[in-house]
Amino acid sequence: KQEVTQIPAALSVPEGENLVLNCSFTDSAIYNLQWFRQDPGKGLTSLLLIQSSQREQTSGRLNASLDKSSGRSTLYIAASQPGDSATYLCAVSMDNYGQNFVFGPGTRLSVLP
Amino acid sequence: ETGVTQSPTHLIKTRGQQVTLRCSSQSGHNTVSWYQQALGQGPQFIFQYYREEENGRGNFPPRFSGLQFPNYSSELNVNALELDDSALYLCASSLPVINEQYFGPGTRLTVT
Repeated sequence: KQEVTQIPAALSVPEGENLVLNCSFTDSAIYNLQWFRQDPGKGLTSLLLIQSSQREQTSGRLNASLDKSSGRSTLYIAASQPGDSATYLCAVSMDNYGQNFVFGPGTRLSVLP
Repeated sequence: ETGVTQSPTHLIKTRGQQVTLRCSSQSGHNTVSWYQQALGQGPQFIFQYYREEENGRGNFPPRFSGLQFPNYSSELNVNALELDDSALYLCASSLPVINEQYFGPGTRLTVT
């Protein structure tokens, strides 16, 4: 059974810092991995999707890497801003239909002005 | 391009009642998945519909059921509500193969 963990559970940093969020999964036979952002009480916003054949994806100040063999992904946020404060979730898909889409518990990020 | 929409936004029900939640998928997406997110946890997969057929189910009892319509919109029905059903219910639409999940804003269900 796939299990996804995220470290740290919570993180508080001053504005301008570069930071790394970690995601680990137990079964390396994933189809893809997706990073999401969730504001309190809201739905999920997709940030980056990495297919199993890819090593990384970039969007603006965000960079996500994937090491499938070791069961790890990292989300790098450059020059953090107070608007980045949210919960960040990673999720892995075990098939191309998304039937088995497993989420981690999330990392709650606070960026202090 | 219209994103994923859900209704209602909030709902309060009494234990034992039944509830129906609705989701409209992103334009062109034929796959809809439903998730339950308890406070402080990641979403848990309930089930998925593809071309009006249930296409996979998580560890939820049969009182959680659903439908998908020809326009790919979907409903989640929960019978015999329990206090533990209080959660944020999220739906996501996607296309097979690409399988990038696009989420709606969610429905907050409170069972008293």
